[in-house]
Amino acid sequence: DADVTQTPRNRITKTGKRIMLECSQTKGHDRMYWYRQDPGLGLRLIYYSFDVKDINKGEISDGYSVSRQAQAKFSLSLESAIPNQTALYFCATSDRTVGDTQYFGPGTRLTVL
Amino acid sequence: SQQGEEDPQALSIQEGENATMNCSYKTSINNLQWYRQNSGRGLVHLILIRSNEREKHSGRLRVTLDTSKKSSSLLITASRAADTASYFCATGGGSNYKLTFGKGTLLTVNP
Repeated sequence: DADVTQTPRNRITKTGKRIMLECSQTKGHDRMYWYRQDPGLGLRLIYYSFDVKDINKGEISDGYSVSRQAQAKFSLSLESAIPNQTALYFCATSDRTVGDTQYFGPGTRLTVL
Repeated sequence: SQQGEEDPQALSIQEGENATMNCSYKTSINNLQWYRQNSGRGLVHLILIRSNEREKHSGRLRVTLDTSKKSSSLLITASRAADTASYFCATGGGSNYKLTFGKGTLLTVNP
């Protein structure tokens, strides 16, 4: 969905480096989410934010941090990347006035060497 | 932890056939959603069924929900090669709006 964009789309980095993945949306949604996807494991929630001042940990937040710079922007940081953080990362949004449907960005493929 | 579990993990059919995927979940839900993912791309919402609904249709999609058995099924009729994708069920929502996704069913539709 072009309304939710993620940068970069692909990134290769080395162990120990700090990495930031960015997500922007033009849908005007208040809620934003970060997921990671690993083969055979489905999607797992890392962090979610219901508005700029409300940020919550998901099921696998260790090693990650987030920043909600504005309603439209939600960034995910890997403080010190490690190889098992190699995965496909997705940002998603939803609108509390509409319901539970989430809208996903195209994903960032991160490889940690 | 995964709430929804899709079955089968993989399904291969011929174009024109129907495809049925199932989802089982463990706890009570407000609604259940189905999403589709083309290889390596973002998920796309297909359909949402609320806990007080038993069946819902959208184009060639038919979703059923049996809350007594904690299960749902997604039927794609008259499948096309373009339906080749992974399909995920997601449960949750409601007051906290968090979704929990299953591991998905990989559907391959052969021309």
